[in-house]
Amino acid sequence: GAVVSQHPSRVICKSGTSVKIECRSLDFQATTMFWYRQFPKQSLMLMATSNEGSKATYEQGVEKDKFLINHASLTLSTLTVTSAHPEDSSFYICSAYLSNGGGNEQFFGPGTRLTVL
Amino acid sequence: DAKTTQPTSMDCAEGRAANLPCNHSTISGNEYVYWYRQIHSQGPQYIIHGLKNNETNEMASLIITEDRKSSTLILPHATLRDTAVYYCIVRTSGGGADGLTFGKGTHLIIQP
Repeated sequence: GAVVSQHPSRVICKSGTSVKIECRSLDFQATTMFWYRQFPKQSLMLMATSNEGSKATYEQGVEKDKFLINHASLTLSTLTVTSAHPEDSSFYICSAYLSNGGGNEQFFGPGTRLTVL
Repeated sequence: DAKTTQPTSMDCAEGRAANLPCNHSTISGNEYVYWYRQIHSQGPQYIIHGLKNNETNEMASLIITEDRKSSTLILPHATLRDTAVYYCIVRTSGGGADGLTFGKGTHLIIQP
């Protein structure tokens, strides 16, 4: 159980285009999901917290108008990278929060590798 | 959340126990120790967490010192597939709906 998927797994786009990444919790409902970004040879950095039915909360330094987050249902959050540029090339990972009483665990998706040409 | 300190890298022979240390000397009384790992080009995977008692599950064991200032993750019989970056994270369980703060972790390399 507690499986999180992401789509697409890999995307290559031209500079200036927008890219949408989907994050789904497959076997549980998640009121809260998180988006992380990981540059090569670096650790994961939290970008934003996605709450179902409300606005996302962004970490300092993350542009909310560039990284649009929509959490329209309890199993789906989307991240749209608008007007992507080469410096946005990164590994984007989502996680979904599951509170099961025994610990507040986050389950991660497999990641989406974005390459902007 | 309290900061953690981990060795940058470790080697372990296949079939042996891998012991990964983590220092968290500023841990608060309500903070848990969580371990995740990330295999190359994949999303992180939850391993185990604990408060003060030792914990064991199908993946690993977690040993927390009595003063809770350090802990050790034990993979009892390491395989090549356990090669990954292992992250020790200290955080409040009640604040589970907060994003995780990842340090640099320990790159564990299992040698054949």
